[in-house]
Amino acid sequence: EVLLVESGGVVVQPGGSLTLSCAASGFTFDDYTMHWVRQVPGKGLEWVSLINWDGSSTDYAHSVRGRFTISRDSSQSSLFLQMSSLRSADTAFYYCVKGMFSSSQSAFHHWGRGTLVTVSS
Amino acid sequence: DIQMTQSPSSLSASVGDRVTVTCRTSHTITNFLNWYQQKPGKAPKLLIYAVSNLQSGVPSRFSGSGSGTDFTLTITNLQPEDFATYYCQQSYSIPSTFGQGTKVEI
Repeated sequence: EVLLVESGGVVVQPGGSLTLSCAASGFTFDDYTMHWVRQVPGKGLEWVSLINWDGSSTDYAHSVRGRFTISRDSSQSSLFLQMSSLRSADTAFYYCVKGMFSSSQSAFHHWGRGTLVTVSS
Repeated sequence: DIQMTQSPSSLSASVGDRVTVTCRTSHTITNFLNWYQQKPGKAPKLLIYAVSNLQSGVPSRFSGSGSGTDFTLTITNLQPEDFATYYCQQSYSIPSTFGQGTKVEI
């Protein structure tokens, strides 16, 4: 069974930094593109970032480019999202998502339960 | 960026009804169109990928169709567990983008 378990969501002040983690199990982690998707409570879904299977290629939404960094650790089967210069608009549930295939164009096959980041003074 | 226009934003339906949700994209995305279901307090769940391919375990009352820039999710014989919010998504180009969502209510 595929499991994606996010952690690290907390209340942080504007301008602060935070790192989210996602522990993956139940599949060969190195074979898949991984994503972060976020959702403001009660609102729609926004893709945040992706990293390809070996970490050699990353991409970001315009809204987070230059502030967020995605990474992965195959030895731990873990995905990370380093977030800095946080704004109130970054307040959201953050989901760790596994792509259906290795391609970055594949559907978002499995989702974690999400972790809530709240940016507030 | 590819814009996604999903309609309606909400609809009221009854058990046994046939429901249709449409998604229009601002650019041609070939078949890179996916549909997700989200229930309150839960993560989204993949229903249909590549326009019309049913994800394993998804009931056959769900179906998808379309091409180019116009796509449709159809639910026939609506069941109580189908009351949820549905999102379309294009995975053709980065940034991947989602429709605004369609809430299916009783």
